[in-house]
Amino acid sequence: AQSVAQPEDQVNVAEGNPLTVKCTYSVSGNPYLFWYVQYPNRGLQFLLKYITGDNLVKGSYGFEAEFNKSQTSFHLKKPSALVSDSALYFCAVYSSASKIIFGSGTRLSIRP
Amino acid sequence: DTGVSQNPRHKITKRGQNVTFRCDPISEHNRLYWYRQTLGQGPEFLTYFQNEAQLEKSRLLSDRFSAERPKGSFSTLEIQRTEQGDSAMYLCASSPVPSSYNEQFFGPGTRLTVL
Repeated sequence: AQSVAQPEDQVNVAEGNPLTVKCTYSVSGNPYLFWYVQYPNRGLQFLLKYITGDNLVKGSYGFEAEFNKSQTSFHLKKPSALVSDSALYFCAVYSSASKIIFGSGTRLSIRP
Repeated sequence: DTGVSQNPRHKITKRGQNVTFRCDPISEHNRLYWYRQTLGQGPEFLTYFQNEAQLEKSRLLSDRFSAERPKGSFSTLEIQRTEQGDSAMYLCASSPVPSSYNEQFFGPGTRLTVL
């Protein structure tokens, strides 16, 4: 069965510093991976996806993610954090039945 | 606004009552999904439609839950005889028929509180 794990419930970063939100996956077959962000009182917003090709995927709002097959990881990164990046981030994997399986989420807090 | 919309945004009900939620997907999207999200957890898949056909239901979807998409456009999710454990955010998403594992576009959700 497809699954993703987000080992950190919360990540705290100072504004201007680089940030990483971790995700590991377990899939049978090729992994199709996503990152979504959820702001308070708003729906999930798509950030980026990995289907195939380059291991470094660029997405919205300056975020990128690095696919690492040997470590079965898909960590989300940003070179310089903004206070407005504070939100709940979900890693997800595409399941064989066309649904998306989400991780438990990581709350990112950027302090000024 | 051409995004996914959901109504109502909030619903408070007493245990045992029936509730119905509506989702209007992005107009050209064939697929429509329902998820449930409880506090501190990621969304969990409930069911999805391709056009008007309901193609899969999660085991999370008990007999008290029913979803419809009668004309392949909007969808409704009904919960009968609500229980306190049904309190959650119910999310709707839509996507085109996947050709390259398209991302799903989510609505703002309906927050259900069962007293």
